[in-house]
Amino acid sequence: GAGVSQSPSNKVTEKGKDVELRCDPISGHTALYWYRQSLGQGLEFLIYFQGNSAPDKSGLPSDRFSAERTGGSVSTLTIQRTQQEDSAVYLCASSLAGGGTEAFFGQGTRLTVV
Amino acid sequence: QKEVEQNSGPLSVPEGAIASLNCTYSDRVSQSFFWYRQYSGKSPELIMSIYSNGDKEDGRFTAQLNKASQYVSLLIRDSQPSDSATYLCAADFVDSGGGADGLTFGKGTHLIIQP
Repeated sequence: GAGVSQSPSNKVTEKGKDVELRCDPISGHTALYWYRQSLGQGLEFLIYFQGNSAPDKSGLPSDRFSAERTGGSVSTLTIQRTQQEDSAVYLCASSLAGGGTEAFFGQGTRLTVV
Repeated sequence: QKEVEQNSGPLSVPEGAIASLNCTYSDRVSQSFFWYRQYSGKSPELIMSIYSNGDKEDGRFTAQLNKASQYVSLLIRDSQPSDSATYLCAADFVDSGGGADGLTFGKGTHLIIQP
């Protein structure tokens, strides 16, 4: 596709439910990043994929968070047993090769846990 | 811990003046630096990348990198009200094995251009 695509754009879920957020990177981009941004705050790094591998999982806030990437393309971020503090905008970015190449963001998924 | 530091602002600049945004980073090994612009309620948009010491110009934007002092700056000439946004500095740190460690962002500087 022309840009990074994220779905859904908005998600409202009840506390305790599981949610899946999807990121479809720019075609041919091998590096994929997930970030979280709470209202008025900076970008919090969650996880980085190079191909299907995640060299750095240290940013995931708790074991309720997991992410996978299959076929070197689409990535899914799963949050289990959602809590109100999980409410934020979840941003995905991709770059051609990681390692210093320019990264481009999707429009984000706004998650609200009620 | 690898960090990117920015003054949160707000930085207020009169229309037509030069806006100067600064960023420092903690890791001497970092090679790649980026500036993003983020409007309220929108996702970050890449505006400049810089890899070598010195200046890089693109239209009204100039990025400056000084690796010895570990700082990166962004100059915006002839500032316009539409430049009002949060500007995020990012560094691509490397891990102990020399591999990419992912993009680390500063918290951003809120820039206000006064008409």
